[in-house]
Amino acid sequence: EDQVTQSPEALRLQEGESSSLNCSYTVSGLRGLFWYRQDPGKGPEFLFTLYSAGEEKEKERLKATLTKKESFLHITAPKPEDSATYLCAVGGGNQFYFGTGTSLTVIP
Amino acid sequence: SQTIHQWPATLVQPVGSPLSLECTVEGTSNPNLYWYRQAAGRGLQLLFYSVGIGQISSEVPQNLSASRPQDRQFILSSKKLLLSDSGFYLCAWSVRHTYGYTFGSGTRLTVV
Repeated sequence: EDQVTQSPEALRLQEGESSSLNCSYTVSGLRGLFWYRQDPGKGPEFLFTLYSAGEEKEKERLKATLTKKESFLHITAPKPEDSATYLCAVGGGNQFYFGTGTSLTVIP
Repeated sequence: SQTIHQWPATLVQPVGSPLSLECTVEGTSNPNLYWYRQAAGRGLQLLFYSVGIGQISSEVPQNLSASRPQDRQFILSSKKLLLSDSGFYLCAWSVRHTYGYTFGSGTRLTVV
């Protein structure tokens, strides 16, 4: 069964404490893996697209990587404004699958 | 550039009342359009998607319906709302079904 699983469900970090969020998938015919950021009460905002294993993308303190089975969103020296829910989504076959997200809280 | 508009931002409706949420996309032609619902603390649930005018696919049986009267307009409706219809509704568009989506700002619906 095709699915996308994100872990952990919630993560609390001190400001400056680096960490990683995980997105594992079992989707055949991968067409792309997408990371979104969602602030409370708002729609998800696109961050990155990864298409093939070994690919990496960076944006400010965020870096996304992709293997054949999972993706990591690395957050380096996070700030309180990085607090949000991070969603992972995978396009494969003729479907698009979302994970349930990781809620990140960065404490000053 | 492409933009997506969704309204209203918040809505409080009594049980049994009708619903109409509207979504429009600008700057692109023949987009794929989607309606998602996001319950508190849960993931995104696909409700409807459309690949063209008048073409609607339903993913979840419910008392909601969708219509696409124009190329870049997508409407979510209900004749009689239930308490369980409360949630955060998101409209999105994409170039193709398995490509990345761009989301609207969402509508918080509370049925009382």
